[in-house]
Amino acid sequence: EAEVAQSPRYKITEKSQAVAFWCDPISGHATLYWYRQILGQGPELLVQFQDESVVDDSQLPKDRFSAERLKGVDSTLKIQPAELGDSAMYLCASTGWNTEAFFGQGTRLTVV
Amino acid sequence: GIQVEQSPPDLILQEGANSTLRCNFSDSVNNLQWFHQNPWGQLINLFYIPSGTKQNGRLSATTVATERYSLLYISSSQTTDSGVYFCAVERSFGNEKLTFGTGTRLTIIP
Repeated sequence: EAEVAQSPRYKITEKSQAVAFWCDPISGHATLYWYRQILGQGPELLVQFQDESVVDDSQLPKDRFSAERLKGVDSTLKIQPAELGDSAMYLCASTGWNTEAFFGQGTRLTVV
Repeated sequence: GIQVEQSPPDLILQEGANSTLRCNFSDSVNNLQWFHQNPWGQLINLFYIPSGTKQNGRLSATTVATERYSLLYISSSQTTDSGVYFCAVERSFGNEKLTFGTGTRLTIIP
């Protein structure tokens, strides 16, 4: 069964360090999302790609966060430098045209 | 942007009871999904239901698009049903983000 792959599952990093997350969407899905979920809240969009183009990054803190999807397939989300407030679950999702979105298992980030 | 409200925020039930979770949204949508977030944080797809009614085992969902709400029904609750249930909507496919509600935390007591 096709699924969205994310790695790592868990990441502990010290503040001011750099951290990167990887996502491989379901094959053929043109739209890829990165969401951040703070404990007790619903997921909130950080960035949305359509193929290799950014559709929406209005909520991405661009001074420290960056995202890329160079070949329109897998994607990397980077934080540099990490801050204590970045501790959260980072979720990747993908969808095709007129189809439901599917989420990966997520990366739980702890900044110490 | 579109607003999504879920109710109740918390629900505690005895095993075997039935429950109804509600999702209200502020604009017309082309996509509505219900998810169950498992204890490890993964969002599990329950229903893709922009309109109409669907059933899957003990779970069913109804979306009344014209009145901008959706309901998730869980019958004969089991302890494994515990967790957070999210409703998420999108106004137009591929062009807008999937916007989530704040979730309903369901706790099933044995």
